[in-house]
Amino acid sequence: GAVVSQHPSRVICKSGTSVKIECRSLDFQATTMFWYRQFPKQSLMLMATSNEGSKATYEQGVEKDKFLINHASLTLSTLTVTSAHPEDSSFYICSAVTGSNQPQHFGDGTRLSIL
Amino acid sequence: EDQVTQSPEALRLQEGESSSLNCSYTVSGLRGLFWYRQDPGKGPEFLFTLYSAGEEKEKERLKATLTKKESFLHITAPKPEDSATYLCAVQVWGATGANSKLTFGKGITLSVRP
Repeated sequence: GAVVSQHPSRVICKSGTSVKIECRSLDFQATTMFWYRQFPKQSLMLMATSNEGSKATYEQGVEKDKFLINHASLTLSTLTVTSAHPEDSSFYICSAVTGSNQPQHFGDGTRLSIL
Repeated sequence: EDQVTQSPEALRLQEGESSSLNCSYTVSGLRGLFWYRQDPGKGPEFLFTLYSAGEEKEKERLKATLTKKESFLHITAPKPEDSATYLCAVQVWGATGANSKLTFGKGITLSVRP
């Protein structure tokens, strides 16, 4: 149980392109989903928290207009990196929870490479 | 500011050589401490949640313990398949109650040689 699917697993695209990443909870309904960014040999850095049907809460220093988050249903959240540049290249990971006292379950991440 | 420090940064063990991984934390009010395992190119896999000092949890060769300042992940007689990065994360109480956010440490990369 508690499977989170993230798609695509890898994206390579040109600078200026917008990229959408999907995060789905396959066997449970997620009250909250989280988006993280991870650099090599670094910790997961929380970018934003999203609840179904409401606006995402962004962490300090994360550009809302750059990283658009939509949480349309209890099983799907999307992250769109708009007008991506090489400095946006990273490993993006989503997670989902069923409640505030439950562990987060993670997807397998998306490796984004901007040329 | 909540802080999580894991040590050592990397650990190399011989198969069967037991050891412990440390996670020290400084938080305003701990709600829970989480251990995850992360394989290269994958997302973290949930292992344990600990809520109060003195609590212990076990799963196969792993045992997690918690004090008021730190947590240990003990690995007994490790096997090569235990090689991974082990992440520690804390969840704190917010002003309005339970806060689902996690603050992660940098992780400990464990390599177990056959």
